[in-house]
Amino acid sequence: DSGVTQTPKHLITATGQRVTLRCSPRSGDLSVYWYQQSLDQGLQFLIQYYNGEERAKGNILERFSAQQFPDLHSELNLSSLELGDSALYFCASSVVGTSGTNEQFFGPGTRLTVL
Amino acid sequence: AQKVTQAQTEISVVEKEDVTLDCVYETRDTTYYLFWYKQPPSGELVFLIRRNSFDEQNEISGRYSWNFQKSTSSFNFTITASQVVDSAVYFCALSGRYNNNDMRFGAGTRLTVKP
Repeated sequence: DSGVTQTPKHLITATGQRVTLRCSPRSGDLSVYWYQQSLDQGLQFLIQYYNGEERAKGNILERFSAQQFPDLHSELNLSSLELGDSALYFCASSVVGTSGTNEQFFGPGTRLTVL
Repeated sequence: AQKVTQAQTEISVVEKEDVTLDCVYETRDTTYYLFWYKQPPSGELVFLIRRNSFDEQNEISGRYSWNFQKSTSSFNFTITASQVVDSAVYFCALSGRYNNNDMRFGAGTRLTVKP
């Protein structure tokens, strides 16, 4: 168990809908990262938050947004869903030290199916 | 730009065989970090190892060993005396010096260990 929690585990919805995925980082970790894992694109970095502020953006669509709350949990909002958004969405957390990078610990993922 | 190549898409071995998973990376950073993650059939991503670019010592952890060679930009992973429980997808990843918001994952290698 990595200590990172994600809810829900599975989500089935229809095209055009909006969903919210939730992530709680490991205790003490200030950074939260979101990734999308799909068969055709592999594991892709979407966005990072550090202590409530957006730190970096990767291949995140404009229909997607995220935020990190004062208690450090994060939510990823996916709107106007398309069939191609079906994927496994991972959240990861890390302690971002000042001396370099740290390993990211991943949650169990949320499997999103868009019908 | 940073890039990780895992040329082996799938590997199948029989239990007790040794197997090496290849990872080749590209980066312009002089300081960088390399990682290996395991994704078993259950889906979660499990952190295995982190190595910084200044430490080229090979590392051994039980049946796992890692060979980091800057001269060939490779960070290969060997499992000795493989077991069925080693069956998983293994990802190699690379991140830069400051924070690790630009972590790039390879496409992964699916390892199947047959009894």
